[in-house]
Amino acid sequence: DAEITQSPRHKITETGRQVTLACHQTWNHNNMFWYRQDLGHGLRLIHYSYGVQDTNKGEVSDGYSVSRSNTEDLPLTLESAASSQTSVYFCASSESPRGEGDEQFFGPGTRLTVL
Amino acid sequence: AQTVTQSQPEMSVQEAETVTLSCTYDTSESDYYLFWYKQPPSRQMILVIRQEAYKQQNATENRFSVNFQKAAKSFSLKISDSQLGDAAMYFCAYRSFFVRFGAGTRLTVKP
Repeated sequence: DAEITQSPRHKITETGRQVTLACHQTWNHNNMFWYRQDLGHGLRLIHYSYGVQDTNKGEVSDGYSVSRSNTEDLPLTLESAASSQTSVYFCASSESPRGEGDEQFFGPGTRLTVL
Repeated sequence: AQTVTQSQPEMSVQEAETVTLSCTYDTSESDYYLFWYKQPPSRQMILVIRQEAYKQQNATENRFSVNFQKAAKSFSLKISDSQLGDAAMYFCAYRSFFVRFGAGTRLTVKP
């Protein structure tokens, strides 16, 4: 069955370190997204991609970067981790080209703690 | 910027009863999509129901239905015959260019 996976599921790191969170989907979806979830804010979009070599900033992109070299993967990098980036991170994917109405399929989430 | 507001941080319902979760949004666009997602304790995000703004008819999925009031920018979720498995966080979401989520409503179902 097709799925979307994230690794690691839990990560503890120190302030200033570079951290990369992996996202891999086997749906063959064009669109991939990264969100962070914080209490009182719901999910907020960090970066998104509508295809290979395409990346775009979301509403909370400062301190994060992504790259899309193939359809299946969209890794999220924290260039220099800060305590404010302690959060649960979700990756999602969807099918149709820039499809506004299609369902997003979410990964299981990564809990990141920055000490 | 578009915003999504869920004014009820927590709600409680008796098993088999009906509950309505509120959501309002702010937009100047005429064409968009609205969603309700469920997040159980497992943290998995699950799509509950979807509404296209250009459709007048309210979406329905089994025990879940919405009351979509476009002029009022309101999109409430009604859960009928509530079950213990409905207990979760519920997020309202708006999408035109990309998705914006509300802060969520935690639903408790009492046996």
